Amino acid sequence: DSGVTQTPKHLITATGQRVTLRCSPRSGDLSVYWYQQSLDQGLQFLIQYYNGEERAKGNILERFSAQQFPDLHSELNLSSLELGDSALYFCASSRREGEQFFGPGTRLTVL
Amino acid sequence: AQTVTQSQPEMSVQEAETVTLSCTYDTSENNYYLFWYKQPPSRQMILVIRQEAYKQQNATENRFSVNFQKAAKSFSLKISDSQLGDTAMYFCAFMKHRGSQGNLIFGKGTKLSVKP
Repeated sequence: DSGVTQTPKHLITATGQRVTLRCSPRSGDLSVYWYQQSLDQGLQFLIQYYNGEERAKGNILERFSAQQFPDLHSELNLSSLELGDSALYFCASSRREGEQFFGPGTRLTVL
Repeated sequence: AQTVTQSQPEMSVQEAETVTLSCTYDTSENNYYLFWYKQPPSRQMILVIRQEAYKQQNATENRFSVNFQKAAKSFSLKISDSQLGDTAMYFCAFMKHRGSQGNLIFGKGTKLSVKP
């Protein structure tokens, strides 16, 4: 158990809908990262927050957004969902350079 | 831009034997980190081993060790005394030494099957 929690574990929704994925980092970790794992794209970095502020952006679509709250938990919002958004979404956290610990992931299925 | 290449999509090994997974990367950075993550059927991403580029000594963690060749930009993972529980996808990953905790860049993965 990495200490990073993600909810929900599974999410099934329809095209055009909006969903929110939640991540709680390990205690004391200020950085949160979001990754998407899909069959065709592999594991891709989406976005990073550090102590409430956006720190880096990767291949994140405009339909996707994220935020980190004062208690350091983070949410990833996915809107206008398409079939191709079906994937495993991971959150990771760290408190120092050169480490990242992953949560169990949220499996999103868009029908 | 950094890239990570794992040239072996699938590998298999007999239980108790040794297997080596390959990884090469491309970067113009001098300082960085390299990782191997394991993803078993449960889909959890588990850190196996970590290497800091400025350290000459190869990292080891119990049955897992790496061969880090900085000039060749090569970072292979050796698993000794393979166990059935080692069956998983293995991902090689790169992280810049950024001072502010950078993101990971992953290879496509190698699916390892350990056979009894």
